[in-house]
Amino acid sequence: AQSVTQPDIHITVSEGASLELRCNYSYGATPYLFWYVQSPGQGLQLLLKYFSGDTLVQGIKGFEAEFKRSQSSFNLRKPSVHWSDAAEYFCAVGPPAAGNKLTFGGGTRVLVKP
Amino acid sequence: EPEVTQTPSHQVTQMGQEVILRCVPISNHLYFYWYRQILGQKVEFLVSFYNNEISEKSEIFDDQFSVERPDGSNFTLKIRSTKLEDSAMYFCASSGYRVGNTIYFGEGSWLTVV
Repeated sequence: AQSVTQPDIHITVSEGASLELRCNYSYGATPYLFWYVQSPGQGLQLLLKYFSGDTLVQGIKGFEAEFKRSQSSFNLRKPSVHWSDAAEYFCAVGPPAAGNKLTFGGGTRVLVKP
Repeated sequence: EPEVTQTPSHQVTQMGQEVILRCVPISNHLYFYWYRQILGQKVEFLVSFYNNEISEKSEIFDDQFSVERPDGSNFTLKIRSTKLEDSAMYFCASSGYRVGNTIYFGEGSWLTVV
């Protein structure tokens, strides 16, 4: 069965500092991996996704993530956070198929200090 | 940017009442989904729908739940007799038919059962 763990429930970071959110997954084969962001009162917006190829994936809003098969990880990073990055971030895994069902991690809430 | 739209954004209903949540998926998408997020918990898959039938459902999606695509644009989730534990944010999502297509989520319908 597929599963996703986001070890950090909350992270507080100063504006302008770097951010790294951890994601570990369990899946029997090469998975499809996603990061979504949910701002307060909003839906889930896709930041980036990994299917194959280059293990460093660039996304929107200056985010990137690195797929490390040996560590079963897909950590999200941003070099310099902005106050608008305060939100909840969800890592998700799905099978490499159309119509794939996603399994989400528990989310990491990011607070940005001025 | 294409978007999935959901109505209502909030609904309060009495236990035992029927509820219908509505969604308009992105127009050229062929896969449709419902997910839910109970307050403080993970986003959970409920059901996927393709070619006018359920393609996959979770153990949460019991006989109290049903989905329908009544016309060419709407996709609905019906809860026949709501329970207190059905209180959650319900997300509709859609995706194209190709492997690797992004799953786009709506902003959610917040259901409170009292």
